[in-house]
Amino acid sequence: EAQVTQNPRYLITVTGKKLTVTCSQNMNHEYMSWYRQDPGLGLRQIYYSMNVEVTDKGDVPEGYKVSRKEKRNFPLILESPSPNQTSLYFCASSFWGGGARETQYFGPGTRLLVL
Amino acid sequence: DAKTTQPPSMDCAEGRAANLPCNHSTISGNEYVYWYRQIHSQGPQYIIHGLKNNETNEMASLIITEDRKSSTLILPHATLRDTAVYYCIVRVLRSGGSNYKLTFGKGTLLTVNP
Repeated sequence: EAQVTQNPRYLITVTGKKLTVTCSQNMNHEYMSWYRQDPGLGLRQIYYSMNVEVTDKGDVPEGYKVSRKEKRNFPLILESPSPNQTSLYFCASSFWGGGARETQYFGPGTRLLVL
Repeated sequence: DAKTTQPPSMDCAEGRAANLPCNHSTISGNEYVYWYRQIHSQGPQYIIHGLKNNETNEMASLIITEDRKSSTLILPHATLRDTAVYYCIVRVLRSGGSNYKLTFGKGTLLTVNP
């Protein structure tokens, strides 16, 4: 089954404790992206990757890192989480090349609480 | 990407057609109209997209006006499981880099009632 998976789905942590949220897709998509969703602010893009070893900042990259060493994986790293990073996080992926190929598929989400 | 305007909420009776409007009066000639929905706190789900012509798939129909300044998403027989926030998004395909993202507005909360 074609899908985007995220782990963990729920995470409670404390300020300053490094964490990684994994994202994996099995559709051979070039493009992958991370969004965060907060009440009243909608979904905002954190980082994106157009292909392996190609990443760039989105609209709200502060406090986050990403890497794209393999095509299928795009982990989101919080080196020193702070309470303002408490949010619902979504990973998305798609082909790049026009038309229906550019449909973005989203993972189920990771709910993060930073105390 | 062009801005979109959607009503904040709509109600629909189960089994009836749900017609969700979207205004995108500043849309450019190379921008597509996309519809996604998000069922409470789940990942957004792609529904349909189009450029100029009306489109239909197994989930919905998309009607785009001739001037492309507005569109309507039609769910032909709404069920309780269609209760969700529906997002209308316009974007250019084959755009690189930062333009590739989806810009979600506030969307329309569709409530399907029994």
